[in-house]
Parts: sequence; structure tokens; C-alpha cells
Amino acid sequence: DQQVKQNSPSLSVQEGRISILNCDYTNSMFDYFLWYKKYPAEGPTFLISISSIKDKNEDGRFTVFLNKSAKHLSLHIVPSQPGDSAVYFCAAMSNFGNEKLTFGTGTRLTIIP
Amino acid sequence: ETGVTQSPTHLIKTRGQQVTLRCSSQSGHNTVSWYQQALGQGPQFIFQYYREEENGRGNFPPRFSGLQFPNYSSELNVNALELDDSALYLCASTSKDRLINEQFFGPGTRLTVL
Repeated sequence: DQQVKQNSPSLSVQEGRISILNCDYTNSMFDYFLWYKKYPAEGPTFLISISSIKDKNEDGRFTVFLNKSAKHLSLHIVPSQPGDSAVYFCAAMSNFGNEKLTFGTGTRLTIIP
Repeated sequence: ETGVTQSPTHLIKTRGQQVTLRCSSQSGHNTVSWYQQALGQGPQFIFQYYREEENGRGNFPPRFSGLQFPNYSSELNVNALELDDSALYLCASTSKDRLINEQFFGPGTRLTVL
């Protein structure tokens, strides 16, 4: 049972444009959401997070939006840069218990120069 | 601030063997989680250690076991290796006491079982 889903395995975006990565979840107990970026041969790098009490969080070029009623979140990157090319994972957790992260399967983002 | 480190980087074993992977948590962190990432998948939670005790476990059999030491470093042990254990094993650290939600990952150990 895939509780966190990233339905787009890959996405290509022109440099300078906006990249939008999507993520859906099914477990209502999730109350904290994170985005990680992963380059080949490296571990995931934390990018940005959002608590379920908010609907938006911004950090520089990265903004995460949360729609709790739709159980949907998205990561916006603007403007997109070649260094943003990587695999992006959406992850969710419940603050009750052991902070286990449940990950999606990832979206490979390619920025075209 | 020292980041999360893991050793070894790569490892090749044969079916039935045993393996130990090591992780040093980020400075100031007291909680370590282990994840398995199979090819084309997202990381899957194996278990977490907090103050040297297991604090939650994912859907992995008992042949996956772990330890946490007083300096908060950790080991993952896998017995009776199977071909499907081939994966990238990731360690992540955080601090329960500082109420940090974000987990910080090491570079991983790539395990190949032949």
C-alpha cells in the first residue's frame, strides 16, 4: 500500500521556468511533510518542509504548498536552474511516535539549458 | 558541524552471509534511523534507535537488527543475506530532544548480494 505517491516519474523543464513537482498521500495521520533532493551516489538532501497547520512554506527559490483536504502537496522551484536536476522525493511523517518517514518513489527532474 | 557519515561505501557479499554497516550521526543528534532504498524506489524505513534502544520498526524481518552506541553512532546488521537485500542502505540522524523534524541523511552504503 503506497501511502505517499509521486505519479510523475520524470519531468523536464526549461532553465528559468517554474518546476512543479506533485505528491499525494492517503494517510490522514501524516502531519509533517518534507521534500528531499537526491543526486546519484549521494544520500537525500533535505530541501524544505511544511507542517499540516500551514498551507505554504517558502525558502528562497523553493515553495511547498499543502492542500490537506485534497491530501496533496506540491513543490515549486522558480526559477529552475541546471543544478536543480536531480531526483526529488516527497516524504511524510506523523509527529506521534518515532518520526518514521514514508517516502514516495521520486520524480526525476531535468532542467534543460 | 559534522554531517552524517556511513561506512563502507560499497560492499559485495554472497547469499547466506552476514553484513554490518556503520553510521555516525550528525553532531548534536541523538536519534538514528535506517532506510533501505531498492532500485527505482523511495527509501523504506527499517528501524530507528534513540538512546541506545530500538524506537520503532518497519516491515523488515528479524534478520535485520541494529545497535546504537553511547556516542549515538549506530550499526545495521543483516544476517542470512538474500538477493533482494541488494540495495542502498541509508542512515539518517535527528534529535528528538531538540524537536527537530527534519532527518539528515548520510551518503549510503551500496550493498550487492550475489
